[in-house]
Amino acid sequence: EVQLVESGGGLVQPGGSLRLSCAASGFTVSSNYMSWVRQAPGKGLEWVSVIYSGGSTYYADSVKGRFTISRDNSKNTLYLQMNSLRAEDTAVYYCARDQAVAGTRWFDPWGQGTLVTVSS
Amino acid sequence: SYVLTQPPSVSVAPGKTARITCGGNNIGSKSVHWYQQKPGQAPVLVIYYDSDRPSGIPERFSGSNSGNTATLTISRVEAGDEADYYCQVWDSSSDHPVVFGGGTKLTVL
Repeated sequence: EVQLVESGGGLVQPGGSLRLSCAASGFTVSSNYMSWVRQAPGKGLEWVSVIYSGGSTYYADSVKGRFTISRDNSKNTLYLQMNSLRAEDTAVYYCARDQAVAGTRWFDPWGQGTLVTVSS
Repeated sequence: SYVLTQPPSVSVAPGKTARITCGGNNIGSKSVHWYQQKPGQAPVLVIYYDSDRPSGIPERFSGSNSGNTATLTISRVEAGDEADYYCQVWDSSSDHPVVFGGGTKLTVL
């Protein structure tokens, strides 16, 4: 069964750091595009970052320079290192397999999400 | 950047047909994907490539896309279909290529 399980969320002060993990099963992370998508409380979905199978990484402007996406092939796990956190980063963070096919992309499956709260 | 516009809410009686629209400039030239998100749960893909259903998604869910509007249609609506629905496209010409609509809350009366 294809599955993603996130962990690492929690309460952090503004300016602090947090690392999210996303453990995959049923498929190989390094052979796929993998993304992080977040959802602020009561709001819609916002794409955050992607890592391509070749290793290239891309970020939304809102997190560029502060967040770093990476993976550990031996653990089949995706990560999101979040530094210099701000109140506006408060959200549920989802990892998702990013399906890239014939000029389009969609997300399937998604993990269950992990809540990050940035507050003093 | 590309913008997708969804109605904030749609209401439908059980057994009837719900139609949720997603508007965008010449959206018919793009592939549209739809996600269902129930309260407290992660999004689930229900339609990809405008009208294809992933395995496990009921045939009651269908999609279409033409001109400036894509539509998610849910036939014979059930109480369990009550959820938020998001459309999404990939805009390869943009610096911000992943675009989500604002979401539509489907209420089953």
